[in-house]
Amino acid sequence: QKEVEQDPGPLSVPEGAIVSLNCTYSNSAFQYFMWYRQYSRKGPELLMYTYSSGNKEDGRFTAQVDKSSKYISLFIRDSQPSDSATYLCAFYFLSGGYNKLIFGAGTRLAVHP
Amino acid sequence: NAGVTQTPKFQVLKTGQSMTLQCAQDMNHEYMSWYRQDPGMGLRLIHYSVGAGITDQGEVPNGYNVSRSTTEDFPLRLLSAAPSQTSVYFCASSYRVGDTQYFGPGTRLTVL
Repeated sequence: QKEVEQDPGPLSVPEGAIVSLNCTYSNSAFQYFMWYRQYSRKGPELLMYTYSSGNKEDGRFTAQVDKSSKYISLFIRDSQPSDSATYLCAFYFLSGGYNKLIFGAGTRLAVHP
Repeated sequence: NAGVTQTPKFQVLKTGQSMTLQCAQDMNHEYMSWYRQDPGMGLRLIHYSVGAGITDQGEVPNGYNVSRSTTEDFPLRLLSAAPSQTSVYFCASSYRVGDTQYFGPGTRLTVL
């Protein structure tokens, strides 16, 4: 079983739709939960991070973590064509002095006008 | 403040050739790392460094060497390129381990 599972998509939605992106994970040691956004032919950029179960909101974006189910989500409200990108979930943990950041494979999102 | 820069942007190699991918940051970050990104695989850590003179292996280190002689630079060397090393390579840096990582624009490498 992979440590992180993320549906690669592609996900195609109309402008204004609510988008839900999800990742599941298996490692209980994961401490920080992050979402990166990657535009085509660019490097990833951090969008949101959290370290506790619950919701964290930033503008049109909401990150949700459910540690008991080992499930994280990113919701995008009022989606815009500029949101078209690949979204990668990422998990950080410290284990025996070795610092590790693990990424999901990414979900490709297309928002069409 | 240029952030994280990578050169070259594109490179084509023949099997067996060697080359160095350059990475530099001007944010005085201690932590630097190299990832490769392949379709369906996400980003996988190749090597990382927690400061000048200190490097360690990541998840997929075979076929790659690194060194960190200065805080700013973290080059990645391919000793004898193989087709399996065809990928997009990203360099990233952060102030320290666990902080927000800033990624460079990537180098697209094709090995024939």
